[in-house]
Parts: sequence; C-alpha cells; structure tokens
Amino acid sequence: SAVISQKPSRDICQRGTSLTIQCQVDSQVTMMFWYRQQPGQSLTLIATANQGSEATYESGFVIDKFPISRPNLTFSTLTVSNMSPEDSSIYLCSVETSGTGTQYFGPGTRLLVL
Amino acid sequence: DAKTTQPPSMDCAEGRAANLPCNHSTISGNEYVYWYRQIHSQGPQYIIHGLKNNETNEMASLIITEDRKSSTLILPHATLRDTAVYYCIVSRGSNYKLTFGKGTLLTVNP
Repeated sequence: SAVISQKPSRDICQRGTSLTIQCQVDSQVTMMFWYRQQPGQSLTLIATANQGSEATYESGFVIDKFPISRPNLTFSTLTVSNMSPEDSSIYLCSVETSGTGTQYFGPGTRLLVL
Repeated sequence: DAKTTQPPSMDCAEGRAANLPCNHSTISGNEYVYWYRQIHSQGPQYIIHGLKNNETNEMASLIITEDRKSSTLILPHATLRDTAVYYCIVSRGSNYKLTFGKGTLLTVNP
C-alpha cells in the first residue's frame, strides 16, 4: 500500500483565480492519477501523470484548464485554472503500486468556488 | 473496459453478512474485478480484486461466477463503520485506469 497526503485539504476560492493542489506519496511510484468528484457524483478521471512524460488527459479535460506537474516519483501537482463555481468538487489523487492495478487514494481536496 | 451494474442501495443489519452483487456480463478474459469503497467525505479505499478465482482477505471475500459475468463482495460481519458507497470496477490491471460507476450505497443498521 501507500500513504498519500494532499494539500490543501479544503479551500474556498474566488472565480477567475487558480488553485494548485499537491499530492505527496511516501514511496516512489510510477503512475499517479487525478480524479474529480462533483457533488453527489462518482469519481471521474481527469488525467494520468507519469514521471518524466506529459500527463495524459481524459476526454473533456484539457491541459490549459488542469495543468499537471510530476517532477519526481513521489510528488505531483494539479492546478485548477480560471476557476468557476462549476469547478467546486473534491479533487483526489491516487497512485498505483505493486503492479496489480490496485490504486490507493489520498484524502481529497475539497474546493468551493464562489 | 467492461461496464458494471450494481443496485443503487442496500441495507444490512449490524453483525450480519453483507452481500453486494455486481454484474459485468461484457467482461473480457484479461480484465480483473476490483472493489473499492468510499466512506462519506473520504478518499476511496481498496478492498479486494480478482481475476477468476475467489479471493479473501482481512476485509472481505470476493466470489466470481464461473462464467465471470457477475461477482459478489461479502463483508462477513458488517459493522456500522462499513456504511459506505461500494464500487465494483472492471479493469485490465496494471497501468490501466479505473472507471467508477455510481456504486451501491450500503447502509448498516444497528
């Protein structure tokens, strides 16, 4: 397994601003994932972030809106840019370890955009 | 990835076994069945996964039918802390994404 922390745990932001969410893992991992969970909904994958390469975005998500950095094997950031109230969600990072396809999730960042 | 179908909600009495069904009739031979749960306001928690054999760990048992078109997650002695949304996900395993459906809200009652 892996221990994952996210910062901030929650934030309230004004529309038009940007927020960078950090994800830190206690061990080196190849694959990291970023998800969004809108209120009352299930999780939706935003992108897959592999160290040393550009993030791969899912349909409906673009790099200009959700730029991702992956500078090393234990850390990643997701930025939510030019926010609107529709971006109010929980943002979660996860990592895959052990080569079994099992993912372990962070506690999430709760974002409210006013 | 194959699509899964789960009942939207289930109830279970505390101390009894909770049996959560999942239908994945379009599963491919190289796809695994994963179960996760999400307790309110927390990140999803991995429970168990399997390919075709039944699996058991300290949290639960996973029963996969012989034709692999459905599975059941069993929590042998449900507690109030097992109240959560349970997700059944089919995926090709390592380096593949997880696609979350709506899951089953399991409510364990005292």
